[in-house]
Amino acid sequence: NAGVTQTPKFRVLKTGQSMTLLCAQDMNHEYMYWYRQDPGMGLRLIHYSVGEGTTAKGEVPDGYNVSRLKKQNFLLGLESAAPSQTSVYFCASLRGLARETQYFGPGTRLLVL
Amino acid sequence: KQEVTQIPAALSVPEGENLVLNCSFTDSAIYNLQWFRQDPGKGLTSLLLIQSSQREQTSGRLNASLDKSSGRSTLYIAASQPGDSATYLCAVVNQAGTALIFGKGTTLSVSS
Repeated sequence: NAGVTQTPKFRVLKTGQSMTLLCAQDMNHEYMYWYRQDPGMGLRLIHYSVGEGTTAKGEVPDGYNVSRLKKQNFLLGLESAAPSQTSVYFCASLRGLARETQYFGPGTRLLVL
Repeated sequence: KQEVTQIPAALSVPEGENLVLNCSFTDSAIYNLQWFRQDPGKGLTSLLLIQSSQREQTSGRLNASLDKSSGRSTLYIAASQPGDSATYLCAVVNQAGTALIFGKGTTLSVSS
């Protein structure tokens, strides 16, 4: 049982390049989330999904797109990376009940030059 | 809009000291409140989850309390150890019950 895994662990992009971050969970969780963490800002929710085939916007969705084609995977896409998207990205999953805790992945460090 | 504030932002204590971390939130209509630990360069690890109907939870040397009416929670760490050094994050489940809203954290340093 690997829990929540994220790919890649670290990436450097040039402004305007695109990339996709992959989050995978093997706990059969319904809910999945993407957060970004910046110094002095804490963790902020980008997008989330309450089930396969669904997505919803969080607090800071601009510049990102997501897809949840399979229940176990949640993809975060950057179509045209900007330096402001330099951050640490965390994925999390939740079984589906607000009474339970979220499980977090180890994070992806992204540097946009 | 729910906002979560943590005070202090940083705290340094000698080993063995008991300490309290504070968390406040603006909207008392929460599903639950959670405390997480984050080590440098790592992900988040859940420490304690307090349901909205509960007043406290304990795990080992950690005790978290919740006062919904005043919008406050505290994390009490007894007999601190250097291994407790980390950033502690408080988070509440949003009104829709679908996502966490985080405070900015308290960075704790315990010296031996």
